[in-house]
Amino acid sequence: QKEVEQDPGPLSVPEGAIVSLNCTYSNSAFQYFMWYRQYSRKGPELLMYTYSSGNKEDGRFTAQVDKSSKYISLFIRDSQPSDSATYLCAMRAGRRALTFGSGTRLQVQP
Amino acid sequence: NAGVTQTPKFRVLKTGQSMTLLCAQDMNHEYMYWYRQDPGMGLRLIHYSVGEGTTAKGEVPDGYNVSRLKKQNFLLGLESAAPSQTSVYFCASSSPSGRSYNEQFFGPGTRLTVL
Repeated sequence: QKEVEQDPGPLSVPEGAIVSLNCTYSNSAFQYFMWYRQYSRKGPELLMYTYSSGNKEDGRFTAQVDKSSKYISLFIRDSQPSDSATYLCAMRAGRRALTFGSGTRLQVQP
Repeated sequence: NAGVTQTPKFRVLKTGQSMTLLCAQDMNHEYMYWYRQDPGMGLRLIHYSVGEGTTAKGEVPDGYNVSRLKKQNFLLGLESAAPSQTSVYFCASSSPSGRSYNEQFFGPGTRLTVL
């Protein structure tokens, strides 16, 4: 079983919809939780970063971490066609290397 | 400011051939990483380096070697390529403190096919 599980999608939504992307994990030592966005044929780029449990908001994006359930989410409000990309969750424990999910492909239809 | 660059962008090898992938960063980052990305597998860490002259194994190091002779460069070598090494290879770099530790800056990737 992988340490980090992520539904590969694709997830197709109409423009303006609220999108929910999720990851589950098994390692209770994970403390830092990140979401990376990867456009087709490009390298990933950091979107949001959260330490421990709670919510973090940045514009149309909200990241949630529920450590008791070992579950993290990324919400995108008022989704745009430019949000179409693969979203990878990543997490780490202490100073260890990042562990990535396999990514969810999102398509926002105009 | 080019960020992280990778050479080459594409390559086709025959089984048994060798090659070196070059990664360069101009952000003065201490840490550098090599990942491979395969469908359904996400990014898997091959090797990484926490400073000039130091390297360490990641999750999937077999069949690869690395060197970090200069702070700005990180080389990934395949001594005898196998079809299982067909993948997209990403290099990344980061700084060891604060948000920067979690923000890895990725290159554009190298698409490698081994026949």
